[in-house]
Amino acid sequence: KQEVTQIPAALSVPEGENLVLNCSFTDSAIYNLQWFRQDPGKGLTSLLLIQSSQREQTSGRLNASLDKSSGRSTLYIAASQPGDSATYLCAMETSGSRLTFGEGTQLTVNP
Amino acid sequence: EPEVTQTPSHQVTQMGQEVILRCVPISNHLYFYWYRQILGQKVEFLVSFYNNEISEKSEIFDDQFSVERPDGSNFTLKIRSTKLEDSAMYFCASITETEETQYFGPGTRLLVL
Repeated sequence: KQEVTQIPAALSVPEGENLVLNCSFTDSAIYNLQWFRQDPGKGLTSLLLIQSSQREQTSGRLNASLDKSSGRSTLYIAASQPGDSATYLCAMETSGSRLTFGEGTQLTVNP
Repeated sequence: EPEVTQTPSHQVTQMGQEVILRCVPISNHLYFYWYRQILGQKVEFLVSFYNNEISEKSEIFDDQFSVERPDGSNFTLKIRSTKLEDSAMYFCASITETEETQYFGPGTRLLVL
């Protein structure tokens, strides 16, 4: 069974700090991995997608990496801001295009 | 920027009633999905739909659920006889044939009493 696990479940940091969110997955036949942001009571906003052939993707202050051999992905957020406070979800896609999600990491950036 | 829209944003229903959740995917998208998120739990895949038929469904998507694309724009999820455990946030998503990023709607919060 495909499983995605995210650590930590919650993280609180002061503004300006760099931080890393972790995601691990069990299926080596991963097609791609996506990181999403979810604000309370809202939908999911796609942040970054890494294809299985890629090692990392960058968008602004965000950098996501993928290591298929170890079944891990990280989301690095540089110079965090209070507006980054949200729940961050990672999701893997295997064949068939369904996404399997992790539990999420609830991030709070304190001013 | 084009977005996936969903209606209603909230729905309260009595156990045993039928509900229809509506989604309007992005206009040039061809693959459509429904996911749900029970409060405090993971987002779970329900079903994918392509070329007017179900392409994949999860074990959650039993005979009580059905999906339809009644016209060129709407994509609906019907729950025939709701149960208390169907209370969740239901998300619709869509993608093009060539792109891989799934675009999610804002969700419908369903409460079954």
